[in-house]
Amino acid sequence: DIVLTQSPDSLAVSLGERATINCKSSQSLLLTSNNKNTLAWYQVKPGQPPKLLIYWASTRESGVPDRFSGSGSGTDFTLTISSLQAEDVAVYYCQQYYSTLSMCSFGQGTKLEIK
Amino acid sequence: QVHLQQSGPRLVKPSQTLALTCAISGDSVSSNSVATNSVAWNWIRQSPSRGLEWLGRTYYRSKWYNEYAISVKSRISINPDTSKNQFSLQLNSVTPEDTAIYYCARGQYNTFGVWGQGTMVTVSS
Repeated sequence: DIVLTQSPDSLAVSLGERATINCKSSQSLLLTSNNKNTLAWYQVKPGQPPKLLIYWASTRESGVPDRFSGSGSGTDFTLTISSLQAEDVAVYYCQQYYSTLSMCSFGQGTKLEIK
Repeated sequence: QVHLQQSGPRLVKPSQTLALTCAISGDSVSSNSVATNSVAWNWIRQSPSRGLEWLGRTYYRSKWYNEYAISVKSRISINPDTSKNQFSLQLNSVTPEDTAIYYCARGQYNTFGVWGQGTMVTVSS
């Protein structure tokens, strides 16, 4: 099974500052058929369903503000919020969709708060 | 625009069956066109102890397929209902550990861009 480990578990950042969340995979998520990484990022706010932010590691979902960006390849990935806004307080999860055996699995989540 | 509407009981007794339904509008549970060849219909749950956990999916590619997470494979069933354009979740022999918010979600290339509103299900006597 592919295991995703996020760091840190929680993070406090000042408004307007950069927030960085990491996700490490137990094996490479690079799909050789299309040279893309099968890694997505979600934002979860209390009382709301998860929201897809990023897929293929770096492609922003339609309507997602451009302060959100994804990077990385292989086993190491990063979600960056360039200038934190109050509405970005949430729990963020990475998700892999490489493995057909373990299907889709998520990281344990990172709680982002305002400092 | 695709919309998913969940329904089902919020309280289930231990050892009984959890059953939820997800009604689809704006798409078809039988999506099988070239453009939507990657679409599948999923159930995912969220709990404080386990975070987000994918449970399983159903999809149509000239015939119906179901795939389930290993953790629940022995007691889960996900079924499409083409007459009502919806799909359902049944989870048998529930325990308090199955207490969670359950979501249905439309998956495309195994990422989840459309979600139901969520159903908080409590397993308790």
